[in-house]
Amino acid sequence: EPEVTQTPSHQVTQMGQEVILRCVPISNHLYFYWYRQILGQKVEFLVSFYNNEISEKSEIFDDQFSVERPDGSNFTLKIRSTKLEDSAMYFCASKGGRQGEKLFFGSGTQLSVL
Amino acid sequence: EDKVVQSPLSLVVHEGDTVTLNCSYEVTNFRSLLWYKQEKKAPTFLFMLTSSGIEKKSGRLSSILDKKELFSILNITATQTGDSAVYLCAFSTDSWGKLQFGAGTQVVVTP
Repeated sequence: EPEVTQTPSHQVTQMGQEVILRCVPISNHLYFYWYRQILGQKVEFLVSFYNNEISEKSEIFDDQFSVERPDGSNFTLKIRSTKLEDSAMYFCASKGGRQGEKLFFGSGTQLSVL
Repeated sequence: EDKVVQSPLSLVVHEGDTVTLNCSYEVTNFRSLLWYKQEKKAPTFLFMLTSSGIEKKSGRLSSILDKKELFSILNITATQTGDSAVYLCAFSTDSWGKLQFGAGTQVVVTP
């Protein structure tokens, strides 16, 4: 079965540093997402992306966050100046169609901000 | 404010037992309810439910949605140790596919 792949699996960074989390969605999918899960808490929606622009974002997704699809395969999440509270597992997800199709999740990037 | 509540928070069963997980919701503009299994990392898709009263089955797992009483049930029969995981319920309210997740139910199946 096709997979969403994420790199790196773990990222450790110092507070205030920029990080870029990378994702390769399933190749024929059109809708892309980032979610995060702080340890012991719910999976939370960050942002959705379609047709090369953000379609929806949550309150968490402030000016420190940005997403990009730099080429036909990669989808990245950038955090400009990391904070301690950004430490979480970040999941990329994708789906094919507009109407109610299931999301496929990647295996996640564990981000630790020290 | 939309919300989804899963119960129980956790349970421990023996291999062979049947488990029933609950997901209740209060959602405006409900479109679909999804169940995911989360073992170590990535949530993996189990079911998507949009219509009330229609059971979906996959092997030993089944799920049903009640849109009148606003809940869904996930059943696992003849549990195996490989069923140990966190089971997540999520709903969708728009066509963009954004999901809002419940806190999950931790299931531990002991040999």
